[in-house]
Amino acid sequence: LVMTQSPATLSVSPGERATLSCRASQSISSNLAWYQHKPGQAPRLLIHGASTRATGIPVRFSGSGSGTDFTLTINNLQSEDFAVYYCQQYNHWPPYNFGQGTKLEIK
Amino acid sequence: QAQLAESGGGVVQPGRSLRLSCVASGFTVSFYGLHWVRQAPGKELEWVAVISYDGSNKYYADSVEGRFTISRDISKNTVYLQMNSLRAEDTGVYFCAGANWGKEYNGMDVWGQGTTVTVSS
Repeated sequence: LVMTQSPATLSVSPGERATLSCRASQSISSNLAWYQHKPGQAPRLLIHGASTRATGIPVRFSGSGSGTDFTLTINNLQSEDFAVYYCQQYNHWPPYNFGQGTKLEIK
Repeated sequence: QAQLAESGGGVVQPGRSLRLSCVASGFTVSFYGLHWVRQAPGKELEWVAVISYDGSNKYYADSVEGRFTISRDISKNTVYLQMNSLRAEDTGVYFCAGANWGKEYNGMDVWGQGTTVTVSS
């Protein structure tokens, strides 16, 4: 089972919307999580169950999809949102595969 | 507040061993699955190993199977990662993370800050 994220790098201006994609090589139902990771920090859980925001996550973060295709959308980008984002499947475990990440950078 | 704190990283020669520790506070490891996740320099997150809430199940990534062992000490509220026969490709930051177990898994919602392992001669 391989998780593929696209694009590798996404350049977006603050205040705009970012759309990140994650594709599973086989169906994983809705068993997908999204994480945000900044250099030198611990990863942070954003979304689980493909679309449920974790505790304390702002509403500008939303997830969608099921089966093999998933999307993380970040509306009204804030400066603190620029980071690397990973998807992770937990339908067929172990292992708990991560995607290769999408770097969200300031345009 | 639930927290995790890793320690034990360092510089080690190829073929040698190292043991990482992860101390939990604000929650009990006997109620949570504890994972190790690593990140090689410039690379993505890689899941390494997990121990179940009751310690009865342990799983490993193929890349470390047979070389790494995950364990825990409930009295110390600590999870360990014993790493033997280390290779250069094991270099990276090692994070421990907590999550519900099995069908209750809904993402790793508690993370430590990581400890750095460098395997080099």
